[in-house]
Amino acid sequence: AQSVSQHNHHVILSEAASLELGCNYSYGGTVNLFWYVQYPGQHLQLLLKYFSGDPLVKGIKGFEAEFIKSKFSFNLRKPSVQWSDTAEYFCAVITNDYKLSFGAGTTVTVRA
Amino acid sequence: SQTIHQWPATLVQPVGSPLSLECTVEGTSNPNLYWYRQAAGRGLQLLFYSVGIGQISSEVPQNLSASRPQDRQFILSSKKLLLSDSGFYLCAWSRTDRGEQYFGPGTRLTVT
Repeated sequence: AQSVSQHNHHVILSEAASLELGCNYSYGGTVNLFWYVQYPGQHLQLLLKYFSGDPLVKGIKGFEAEFIKSKFSFNLRKPSVQWSDTAEYFCAVITNDYKLSFGAGTTVTVRA
Repeated sequence: SQTIHQWPATLVQPVGSPLSLECTVEGTSNPNLYWYRQAAGRGLQLLFYSVGIGQISSEVPQNLSASRPQDRQFILSSKKLLLSDSGFYLCAWSRTDRGEQYFGPGTRLTVT
């Protein structure tokens, strides 16, 4: 079974700092990759996705992620965070069996 | 546009009581439907998924069951709740087996 690892449990940043959240998965076949975000008091929302093509994908709110197949990674980045980016971020992978496997999540706190 | 509803939003139930959580999707037909449980620091765990009316696959053997009586309705049930059933339950839908999933607002269940 595939697994998804998020390297950081909690990240604390100041506004305008750059953000990078690591995500690695263990599956050797074709994968579809996702980042979801959960803002305080809100439901999970899709931030961005990768199915195929350009490995650098852009999502909403200035986020982007890069798929590096050789490293089994799909790291999330944002050049300059805002206070409103405070949220929990989840990396997720789906393979051939319908199941969306989630990482444990990373809580990002942006200080004004 | 598509929307997904879950109710109730919160629920407090005594041990041994029955459970019924409901999820409905609007604006699409024949969606794949999913039930997840979200635990703090552990991401989301897939409980059940359904690709059509009456078709349910269970991912984790436990005290819960699911049913899909209508195309866009997905119900999570239990005959007798356990303390360990407490948690945050999320319903999701997708158009395709490996596509992005869209999540409902969730139900916070506390078993006392």
